[in-house]
Amino acid sequence: DGGITQSPKYLFRKEGQNVTLSCEQNLNHDAMYWYRQDPGQGLRLIYYSHIVNDFQKGDIAEGYSVSREKKESFPLTVTSAQKNPTAFYLCASSIVAQPYGYTFGSGTRLTVV
Amino acid sequence: AQKITQTQPGMFVQEKEAVTLDCTYDTSDPSYGLFWYKQPSSGEMIFLIYQGSYDQQNATEGRYSLNFQKARKSANLVISASQLGDSAMYFCAMRANTGNQFYFGTGTSLTVIP
Repeated sequence: DGGITQSPKYLFRKEGQNVTLSCEQNLNHDAMYWYRQDPGQGLRLIYYSHIVNDFQKGDIAEGYSVSREKKESFPLTVTSAQKNPTAFYLCASSIVAQPYGYTFGSGTRLTVV
Repeated sequence: AQKITQTQPGMFVQEKEAVTLDCTYDTSDPSYGLFWYKQPSSGEMIFLIYQGSYDQQNATEGRYSLNFQKARKSANLVISASQLGDSAMYFCAMRANTGNQFYFGTGTSLTVIP
């Protein structure tokens, strides 16, 4: 079955560490996205990519980095520069320039310890 | 700029009753899509229903219908015959057809009471 796989489901980070969240899709979608979700704030866009080897900053990119070396993969690194990384992170993919919705992964919950 | 507003942080509904979740939006794009997603406590986002800005009729998907009032810029979700499994967060979202970014509201937490 086609879909998006995010791993791990739960992740703990010590202060000052970088951590990488995985997102893999087998839907043959060109576009992939990373969102951050905090209680009461809905989803906020971190980064997005419409094509391999190209990505754009979203509304809250500071303290995060991404890569898009393969169409299927769009990993997100939460760097030590992100001062408040504890949140729920959702990856999504879609067909570019089509009026359809996203397909979401099941999310990664990151906690700073 | 696009903006989605959901003014109901929390809603309660009796099982088997209908409930309406409010959503208003603001956009200067003439062509756009409106979406509703359900997020259970497990975290995944589940697509419920889609309404195109040029669609003449309100969208329906099973027990879900979208009450689309273009002049008022509202896209309310109506859930009929509520079930206990409907208890979840519900998000309204919009996407301009010229772009790819979704804009989400802050969500409404729905609790279905037995």
